[in-house]
Amino acid sequence: EPEVTQTPSHQVTQMGQEVILRCVPISNHLYFYWYRQILGQKVEFLVSFYNNEISEKSEIFDDQFSVERPDGSNFTLKIRSTKLEDSAMYFCAIGPGQGYEQYFGPGTRLTVT
Amino acid sequence: GDSVTQMEGPVTLSEEAFLTINCTYTATGYPSLFWYVQYPGEGLQLLLKATKADDKGSNKGFEATYRKETTSFHLEKGSVQVSDSAVYFCARSGYSTLTFGKGTMLLVSP
Repeated sequence: EPEVTQTPSHQVTQMGQEVILRCVPISNHLYFYWYRQILGQKVEFLVSFYNNEISEKSEIFDDQFSVERPDGSNFTLKIRSTKLEDSAMYFCAIGPGQGYEQYFGPGTRLTVT
Repeated sequence: GDSVTQMEGPVTLSEEAFLTINCTYTATGYPSLFWYVQYPGEGLQLLLKATKADDKGSNKGFEATYRKETTSFHLEKGSVQVSDSAVYFCARSGYSTLTFGKGTMLLVSP
């Protein structure tokens, strides 16, 4: 099974601060994704990324969010000005293509105080 | 839009009991279907998948059959173990996303 690592494992930040969550896919997949899971709730899709472009995004992924793959390996999610309701587990995932399975990283727990 | 509905948990079973977790999905398009498992404090692990009607996915004693006529993908295991205690998520593929159900917690006691 393809591996995905994420850093940090836990990030605590103050409201209004910027955070960058990082994902490093170990294997060679083309599609990258971010999901979030608010404590005790369902896993929600944020954004998918292919060929250095966003291919799909959800309503959650507003102007406060951005993604990039700056060096061809790391895949990052930036939240420009965090809000209390951004507190959640953020999962990076990779996959071979649309409609196929996705492989998830261990997640980053973001706590906004 | 796409949606997945799972039975509410927690499901509490004794070791070696039979497990069923119900899952239904919206029938738009021709989705692939998945079960993921989340152990405490960990990420989501792909448990099994099925890509077309009547396919049966299986892994680690778990099985699920893609039923187009009932839009269902129920997860089953003949004999659960304490180590199966986790949250199980049913998911369907979309254009480039996965849509998850709310998850069903399974608690297995010795």
